[in-house]
Amino acid sequence: RKEVEQDPGPFNVPEGATVAFNCTYSNSASQSFFWYRQDCRKEPKLLMSVYSSGNEDGRFTAQLNRASQYISLLIRDSKLSDSATYLCAMIIQGAQKLVFGQGTRLTINP
Amino acid sequence: EAGVAQSPRYKIIEKRQSVAFWCNPISGHATLYWYQQILGQGPKLLIQFQNNGVVDDSQLPKDRFSAERLKGVDSTLKIQPAKLEDSAVYLCASSLEWSSVGETQYFGPGTRLLVL
Repeated sequence: RKEVEQDPGPFNVPEGATVAFNCTYSNSASQSFFWYRQDCRKEPKLLMSVYSSGNEDGRFTAQLNRASQYISLLIRDSKLSDSATYLCAMIIQGAQKLVFGQGTRLTINP
Repeated sequence: EAGVAQSPRYKIIEKRQSVAFWCNPISGHATLYWYQQILGQGPKLLIQFQNNGVVDDSQLPKDRFSAERLKGVDSTLKIQPAKLEDSAVYLCASSLEWSSVGETQYFGPGTRLLVL
């Protein structure tokens, strides 16, 4: 079983819609969680960290469910510019490295 | 503030040839990472340096890959000899320090390698 799993998509949604995707992890010792955004042929950039209490940044909301071992990203009022691949990542306790999921490709259609 | 610099941006080689990539991290960043990102997958850590020491190279194919960061600043990653399955984007990233709570990693633009 992979350490981190994401639905690769693609997700095609109309502009203005709300879209959400999850990322599941297998190691309960995972301790820090992140969402990265990667545009086509570009490098990943940190979108937001995911806190235990959940956090929001504008139209983006990230949540952590430790009991079910997943994190989620919700995008409200989606814009064309939100089209990208969204990568979840986490640090496993005791391992000094960031482990990425395979990414979820999102396309916002006009 | 200048970002992470990488060169070359693109490289095409034939299998069994050698190739080297260069990375210059953000000034003052002690931790440097090399990732391999195969098409359709997330980045996979190959090696992590803290200053000029290796912290983690557990996923580096050491029979063909090598990396160094001799002066604790810039770094080179080498593949010798290359295989078809090495075709990928090689991303360099840096952060101020390593932190278990996740010091932000800043990625360079990557080197896109195609092995024919």
